[in-house]
Amino acid sequence: KAGVTQTPRYLIKTRGQQVTLSCSPISGHRSVSWYQQTPGQGLQFLFEYFSETQRNKGNFPGRFSGRQFSNSRSEMNVSTLELGDSALYLCASSVFGGTGGYTFGSGTRLTVV
Amino acid sequence: GIQVEQSPPDLILQEGANSTLRCNFSDSVNNLQWFHQNPWGQLINLFYIPSGTKQNGRLSATTVATERYSLLYISSSQTTDSGVYFCAVTTAGTALIFGKGTTLSVSS
Repeated sequence: KAGVTQTPRYLIKTRGQQVTLSCSPISGHRSVSWYQQTPGQGLQFLFEYFSETQRNKGNFPGRFSGRQFSNSRSEMNVSTLELGDSALYLCASSVFGGTGGYTFGSGTRLTVV
Repeated sequence: GIQVEQSPPDLILQEGANSTLRCNFSDSVNNLQWFHQNPWGQLINLFYIPSGTKQNGRLSATTVATERYSLLYISSSQTTDSGVYFCAVTTAGTALIFGKGTTLSVSS
């Protein structure tokens, strides 16, 4: 059974650009959530989607957005990148809202220069 | 919101030693997981354990939900056990909330 797939693995962007990250959940999992990890702030929740609807949102500015498609794949977008957006972005999938636990992908490491 | 505290923040062991990592949480939870973050950043799920005790090889975990804590035991530690261990919980209506982690270093 394939795990959670995140693409790309690494990204380097310039301040002011925008970026889109992708996450394909485990087959049969309909919930996808996104987290940001930085050395200073640790692991912080961004948003969670279930059946194409955002269920939950963390405390991040509107430059961070996401969506989920009918096949449960999810994308997150960050517009007008800032240096502080440099982080490891992790995606997790679950059957529904954490039931049975969350499984994480390998992450996308974003560097903003 | 709910607070998740992990202790100790850092742990240094010799290969073969045993260790206990603790996770305290400030409110009732409906999900608790332990993760190991590998050197490449991926969070590896160790246990899904909202209550009770589970064992998987050299690792075991116990959650006492009524007293709001969970323990992760690592026996006969190996160098490959090194890394950061996270406890994360959910309450009703929330996504995973993580503790700050315990950094384990096992030397040969």
